[in-house]
Amino acid sequence: DTGVSQDPRHKITKRGQNVTFRCDPISEHNRLYWYRQTLGQGPEFLTYFQNEAQLEKSRLLSDRFSAERPKGSFSTLEIQRTEQGDSAMYLCASSVQVAFFGQGTRLTVV
Amino acid sequence: AQKITQTQPGMFVQEKEAVTLDCTYDTSDQSYGLFWYKQPSSGEMIFLIYQGSYDEQNATEGRYSLNFQKARKSANLVISASQLGDSAMYFCAMREAWMDSSYKLIFGSGTRLLVRP
Repeated sequence: DTGVSQDPRHKITKRGQNVTFRCDPISEHNRLYWYRQTLGQGPEFLTYFQNEAQLEKSRLLSDRFSAERPKGSFSTLEIQRTEQGDSAMYLCASSVQVAFFGQGTRLTVV
Repeated sequence: AQKITQTQPGMFVQEKEAVTLDCTYDTSDQSYGLFWYKQPSSGEMIFLIYQGSYDEQNATEGRYSLNFQKARKSANLVISASQLGDSAMYFCAMREAWMDSSYKLIFGSGTRLLVRP
């Protein structure tokens, strides 16, 4: 499968715990994005990487959120001290021109 | 500020009939792209079709076509010969190319399409 891959698909965590998600983009895509989608809404942009450089972060990305893309390959999104409001689908996408999305990681904070 | 509006929260269509999903957008950029994605219950966003702001002809991809009316800032998706597997959420999205080098997408709130047998 040469599409965008995200792991895990589902994560249930207790409030206050840290979680980390992984995204493996399509190999030749230099652009990588993280989006967050809450129930009944469209995805909202969180952050953007071009190769290994994080070039843009949304105001939605609070200090508890950090993203990395070492060596311009896979990316990780970490949420520290999770809150119930962090419950959402986290989508990763990669692109040259058209963005292709992974299947997402559904986070539930209890 | 750029914005995508999808005014139909839900739509029904009979199998084998055509359906139009509405999308209007707002941008001050001259160069932009418009996209439609399908999101089944599994959660993955599936790319359907793309229209560039300078494209003179409406985009088509199989049973999908995009009715692009630039003056009215609308980019409606037309699905012909609906199939049961078309039941999903559909999102319209925009990418500004001139003012935003990140090429990030701005999404509408989506339309849930249900195809009736």
